[in-house]
Amino acid sequence: QPVLTQPPSASETPGQGVTISCAGGSSNIGSNTVNWYQQYPGAAPRLLIYSTDDRPSGVPDRFSGSKSGTSASLAISGLQSGDEADYYCAAWDDSVKEWVFGGGTKLTVL
Amino acid sequence: EVQLVESGGGLVQPGGSLRLSCAASGFRFGSFEMNWVRQVPGKGLEWLAYISTSGGTTKYAASVRGRFTISRDNAKNSVDLQMNSLRAEDTALYYCVRDNLDSGTYYPFDYWGQGTLVTVSS
Repeated sequence: QPVLTQPPSASETPGQGVTISCAGGSSNIGSNTVNWYQQYPGAAPRLLIYSTDDRPSGVPDRFSGSKSGTSASLAISGLQSGDEADYYCAAWDDSVKEWVFGGGTKLTVL
Repeated sequence: EVQLVESGGGLVQPGGSLRLSCAASGFRFGSFEMNWVRQVPGKGLEWLAYISTSGGTTKYAASVRGRFTISRDNAKNSVDLQMNSLRAEDTALYYCVRDNLDSGTYYPFDYWGQGTLVTVSS
């Protein structure tokens, strides 16, 4: 069972925005930054957001991250068909001394 | 271009051993910390192990601690994962993953290989 909790699926129409949540606890999201990864079917994950709200070069500013307390969110605006993918959150857990991931959210662009 | 190429996966019986290797290129390997992460097909990601640039510090997930060992050879630009006492639940795609600390900014898991499949079954 993943330590971080994400909704298994999300969907929205092109051009609209969507937010994916990631719920954790005081030892992970509550104490550390959150990272987000995007994974297309059959491909390796790609770093999408690091340090909770920063984007690596090459990631469009349609993608943004935030955190409040022990929960984090990934927001995607102006949805495109190419955004259809699985999205995973991750954070270091100070209690178990491990990186922990969410179970992933499958985003469908209707 | 950064490349991470895993090898060594395959079919192994429960209780058996397997050694995975990851060949790195396109960057100064010895300056980057490395990890192994696995994914059961169709399921989520699970971090397994970390190794520092010198190899002097390693960290493991509780699920593999005592069974798996991560090591690296900076002269050969490679990082390995020795897996012993394998179980059916270790069946997964195993990724070699880079950490990047660049000018004080930390990019965790910034590059991933394509993975090598390990199947534990009798």
